[in-house]
Amino acid sequence: GAGVSQSPSNKVTEKGKDVELRCDPISGHTALYWYRQSLGQGLEFLIYFQGNSAPDKSGLPSDRFSAERTGGSVSTLTIQRTQQEDSAVYLCASSLAGGTGNTIYFGEGSWLTVV
Amino acid sequence: AQTVTQSQPEMSVQEAETVTLSCTYDTSENNYYLFWYKQPPSRQMILVIRQEAYKQQNATENRFSVNFQKAAKSFSLKISDSQLGDTAMYFCAFMRGSGNTPLVFGKGTRLSVIA
Repeated sequence: GAGVSQSPSNKVTEKGKDVELRCDPISGHTALYWYRQSLGQGLEFLIYFQGNSAPDKSGLPSDRFSAERTGGSVSTLTIQRTQQEDSAVYLCASSLAGGTGNTIYFGEGSWLTVV
Repeated sequence: AQTVTQSQPEMSVQEAETVTLSCTYDTSENNYYLFWYKQPPSRQMILVIRQEAYKQQNATENRFSVNFQKAAKSFSLKISDSQLGDTAMYFCAFMRGSGNTPLVFGKGTRLSVIA
């Protein structure tokens, strides 16, 4: 597609339920990133994929968070047993592989509200 | 670990005036990249400008320019002839120079352009 696509754009879920957030990167981009942005805060890095592998998952806040990427394209971020503190905007981004300093392009985010 | 500091949580500027947003960073690396992203109320993170650390010349993109002071680890953004559409959160970000690595963000500056 023309840009990074994320779904759903908004999700309200009950505490304790599992949620899945989807990211479809720009075609040809092999690097994919997930960030979390809490209300009025900066961006917190969660996980980074190069192809289907995750060289850096240091930002995942707990074992309730997991992510996978298949076919070197679409990625899914799963949050199990959601808590109210998980409420945030989850941003996905992608960039070209190879070289250094490639510009990272962002999607519009998935706004998660846990009630 | 790298850190990025934006010391101005909020700023305002009159339309058509010039405003400068400050950013400092801390790193032991010599090769890296610096970025300014804009996030309007739509949530879409939009790249404003980027700077390669090995380049001495300051980057410029139309009304946007940076003052990159490598020794001082400072990377400020100047917006000339401010427009109402410039109203947004502005994030300064750092990327290591080795391969595709995640961006490290500052906490942002909320800029309001006043008519």
